[in-house]
Amino acid sequence: AQTVTQSQPEMSVQEAETVTLSCTYDTSESDYYLFWYKQPPSRQMILVIRQEAYKQQNATENRFSVNFQKAAKSFSLKISDSQLGDAAMYFCAFAGTQGGSEKLVFGKGTKLTVNP
Amino acid sequence: KAGVTQTPRYLIKTRGQQVTLSCSPISGHRSVSWYQQTPGQGLQFLFEYFSETQRNKGNFPGRFSGRQFSNSRSEMNVSTLELGDSALYLCASSLVGRQNLNYGYTFGSGTRLTVV
Repeated sequence: AQTVTQSQPEMSVQEAETVTLSCTYDTSESDYYLFWYKQPPSRQMILVIRQEAYKQQNATENRFSVNFQKAAKSFSLKISDSQLGDAAMYFCAFAGTQGGSEKLVFGKGTKLTVNP
Repeated sequence: KAGVTQTPRYLIKTRGQQVTLSCSPISGHRSVSWYQQTPGQGLQFLFEYFSETQRNKGNFPGRFSGRQFSNSRSEMNVSTLELGDSALYLCASSLVGRQNLNYGYTFGSGTRLTVV
């Protein structure tokens, strides 16, 4: 069974600075997807960034980028130029490609506070 | 393009009652999955439906059930409610197939269920 671990329950960053959220996972699959989702107080889970396991190039989406280390099973999220609107819970999630079923395995989340 | 719609947004029920939650996926998305989110357990997978068939089920008691209709809309039902069922229930829809996982999962805003 896959597991996802986020070791930082809470993080804080100053506005305009950079912060990195950690995520490690465990799987025996070689082909899978990894995601970072953001959940603000409005509750809706918003997809921030995705990474396909067999692509070596790290994904980037504007101020968001990942450091994907497949051998180490590590998938960290870097937020550059942090903004007040980035404050939220961030969840790392894994989706395997075997078994023919669409299912996400989530980490426990990291609460990000952005200080003005 | 309309997002994933979950109804109702809030629900208060009494122990022993049953409840039905509804989820309308994004047009064209045929897979619908359900997640329970609690402060203690985090996000846990309940089940996933595709083409009116349950393809995968998480580790929840039989009181939790669901179904999917021919238009891909899904409902989940919880019978004989317990206090521990109080949670945010999130629905996600997605395209099907490995090649479509790159598009990720789109979540609704959830239904907040409180059991008293």
